[in-house]
Amino acid sequence: DVKVTQSSRYLVKRTGEKVFLECVQDMDHENMFWYRQDPGLGLRLIYFSYDVKMKEKGDIPEGYSVSREKKERFSLILESASTNQTSMYLCASSPLPGVAASTDTQYFGPGTRLTVL
Amino acid sequence: GQNIDQPTEMTATEGAIVQINCTYQTSGFNGLFWYQQHAGEAPTFLSYNVLDGLEEKGRFSSFLSRSKGYSYLLLKELQMKDSASYLCAASNTGFQKLVFGTGTRLLVSP
Repeated sequence: DVKVTQSSRYLVKRTGEKVFLECVQDMDHENMFWYRQDPGLGLRLIYFSYDVKMKEKGDIPEGYSVSREKKERFSLILESASTNQTSMYLCASSPLPGVAASTDTQYFGPGTRLTVL
Repeated sequence: GQNIDQPTEMTATEGAIVQINCTYQTSGFNGLFWYQQHAGEAPTFLSYNVLDGLEEKGRFSSFLSRSKGYSYLLLKELQMKDSASYLCAASNTGFQKLVFGTGTRLLVSP
């Protein structure tokens, strides 16, 4: 079974703090993603990475950066946390597209609920 | 632009059948995913349609019409544990990114 783990389930930070959210997957997937999920807005893509040291902006990258130094690990960084970044953060991974399209789904971690005070 | 629409909330009774609709407008559309998400948990994969038609998988079936930009998830013999949010997501060519709808919260009552 694919396993995606995130460093914390719950996190409380102060405005202006630098925040690191870590994600690790154990299936040697090429692609990794960071989303935030807010009521009424659904899942929105922040950044994704298709290879080590490669990254691309998603739909809402402002206020965030990412790092992928190793294939299995994808970090989301909030340089200076703000209250509007209070949200549920979900990491996901997926393999490169293959013949069996149904297996190319994204596998999600348990999520980190971040509260910025 | 990219847009995915699905109802916000639905209610149904245990043992019944419910159909959750999803309409989409995305560029480079490749296929349509359905995920289930219980409160406080991660989304889990339910189904993926790339061709038109109905795909049946136990109590759950998913339908796609590419020409109409329309999909639905059909849940039969509803159980209390089916109370969850159901997320519709469109994949683009290359499967690199998914565009998610806001999710449909399904409440199953006894």
